[in-house]
Amino acid sequence: IAGITQAPTSQILAAGRRMTLRCTQDMRHNAMYWYRQDLGLGLRLIHYSNTAGTTGKGEVPDGYSVSRANTDDFPLTLASAVPSQTSVYFCASSGQGSNEQFFGPGTRLTVL
Amino acid sequence: AQSVTQLDSQVPVFEEAPVELRCNYSSSVSVYLFWYVQYPNQGLQLLLKYLSGSTLVESINGFEAEFNKSQTSFHLRKPSVHISDTAEYFCAVSGGYQKVTFGTGTKLQVIP
Repeated sequence: IAGITQAPTSQILAAGRRMTLRCTQDMRHNAMYWYRQDLGLGLRLIHYSNTAGTTGKGEVPDGYSVSRANTDDFPLTLASAVPSQTSVYFCASSGQGSNEQFFGPGTRLTVL
Repeated sequence: AQSVTQLDSQVPVFEEAPVELRCNYSSSVSVYLFWYVQYPNQGLQLLLKYLSGSTLVESINGFEAEFNKSQTSFHLRKPSVHISDTAEYFCAVSGGYQKVTFGTGTKLQVIP
């Protein structure tokens, strides 16, 4: 079934550790996004990529980095995790000329 | 700049009763408007969208929303809710080439 996959489903991480959240889509969408979802704050954009080879900063980019080596993959890296990065992370994608976004199932990350 | 306000964080409603989830937006350009639904432990799914044309848009499961430009609103309604409608609902706005901005969400709790 076409869509977006994310891995891992959940993770408990010690503060200071490095962590990469994986996201893969098979819809050949140009644009991809990373959001974090926190209670009472809704979804906040961390980073985005309009096309392979380009990335941009969203609303809350500090402490996170992304890369877009190809169309399908858009990993999110926490170089040195902190407890405030405890959240549910969603990857999304959208096709060219469309503002409709398709979401992955999410990664629940706990930083202790 | 664009923003979305969902005035109600939680809405309890009895089964088979009508419901309205409120959404107001601000944008300096013409907008596209969306409602997404998130069931427990899942990612967001598109429920309905307004891009242009008829201001009343409907979903396949009985929800509808009306774009009201003068009141800058896009309220979501359903005449008779079911237990299965229990979920969190997010309103979102996108203006032109701007990124999608999400509201903080409204949790709909359907009471048997």
